[in-house]
Amino acid sequence: NAGVTQTPKFQVLKTGQSMTLQCAQDMNHEYMSWYRQDPGMGLRLIHYSVGAGITDQGEVPNGYNVSRSTTEDFPLRLLSAAPSQTSVYFCASGRAQGNSPLHFGNGTRLTVT
Amino acid sequence: KQEVTQIPAALSVPEGENLVLNCSFTDSAIYNLQWFRQDPGKGLTSLLLIQSSQREQTSGRLNASLDKSSGRSTLYIAASQPGDSATYLCAVEGRGSTLGRLYFGRGTQLTVWP
Repeated sequence: NAGVTQTPKFQVLKTGQSMTLQCAQDMNHEYMSWYRQDPGMGLRLIHYSVGAGITDQGEVPNGYNVSRSTTEDFPLRLLSAAPSQTSVYFCASGRAQGNSPLHFGNGTRLTVT
Repeated sequence: KQEVTQIPAALSVPEGENLVLNCSFTDSAIYNLQWFRQDPGKGLTSLLLIQSSQREQTSGRLNASLDKSSGRSTLYIAASQPGDSATYLCAVEGRGSTLGRLYFGRGTQLTVWP
């Protein structure tokens, strides 16, 4: 079982560049989300989706875009990378009925210079 | 805004000890609380989920309790083993307009030495 797959595992960007972090799940989960994890800050929610065509903002959405055209995929786009976006990014999925555990990918470590 | 605090930040114990990790949250209007384990360089693995109407959940050597009115949860690990070494995070899911949003604590880094 693949579960939640994130690509790439590592990425280095220059300030101002754009890129897309990929997330795919094969569990037919309605709910998908993106978190960033920073030392001393814990995990913070960036964007989430409760189904195809539906997205909503989390705590720290600025500088990031998402779309959900299929149930399986939930890409995160950085429009113009900034050093403050250096972080580890995690994608998670779960059932939208609630009270079901979240499944996390292994993360993408992004460095913006 | 929901704030989640975990105490202690780090814990180092010899193998075989029983442990208690603490989690507190400021807003008691939660949908559920989850405990996760994170190994270095890896994602999070869900250990236990307690619904807001429940008081505790058990899985093997792990037991998690929830006292919603006081905004507290504890994770009890019995007979700790070196393989339990990891960072343990708790997260609460909000209700209503914050349903679907999880708020995480910063974690307790646990080291169990042989």
